[in-house]
Amino acid sequence: GENVEQHPSTLSVQEGDSAVIKCTYSDSASNYFPWYKQELGKRPQLIIDIRSNVGEKKDQRIAVTLNKTAKHFSLHITETQPEDSAVYFCAASNQNYGQNFVFGPGTRLSVLP
Amino acid sequence: DVKVTQSSRYLVKRTGEKVFLECVQDMDHENMFWYRQDPGLGLRLIYFSYDVKMKEKGDIPEGYSVSREKKERFSLILESASTNQTSMYLCASSSGGATYEQYFGPGTRLTVT
Repeated sequence: GENVEQHPSTLSVQEGDSAVIKCTYSDSASNYFPWYKQELGKRPQLIIDIRSNVGEKKDQRIAVTLNKTAKHFSLHITETQPEDSAVYFCAASNQNYGQNFVFGPGTRLSVLP
Repeated sequence: DVKVTQSSRYLVKRTGEKVFLECVQDMDHENMFWYRQDPGLGLRLIYFSYDVKMKEKGDIPEGYSVSREKKERFSLILESASTNQTSMYLCASSSGGATYEQYFGPGTRLTVT
């Protein structure tokens, strides 16, 4: 079955700096890769996703890149702000065989003012 | 606006008790999921359902069962609660169409003593 690894487990950056979180997956058939943000005490929420036919996707300060050959994908946050502090989860899914996700273990991002 | 609700935010049960966790979604979603969240382990899939009365085992189904008698409701059952089932339980739903996003409930923090 699919296995998703995520690094680093914790990340601290100064406000205004960039943050990068990396994930690798094992199943080459996976074709959908979402990123969820979970603020303290709140539910996870989708912030960006990418499908396997695309190499990069941007949404304002957030971008995701996908390297299918190497089976890894990354979340990039630019100009970080204190409200970016949260736990971020990556996930992989084969949407041709159901819509369940395999999540990574999470990265706790702290943006220091 | 998708709304996923869970019956309790906090629950304390004794070892050996039967525990019911209820999840309701109001967007006519086909798919529903139960996860448990533990620090450093991310979100692990317990069971999922793609239709009424249908259920499939996820990655960690041991010690759990589920019921989906109505489309909007998905219940997680701990037949005989044990201390290693102390965790945060998250329910999610998705439409089953071309949009793959999973919408999460607020979670139930279950403590088994």
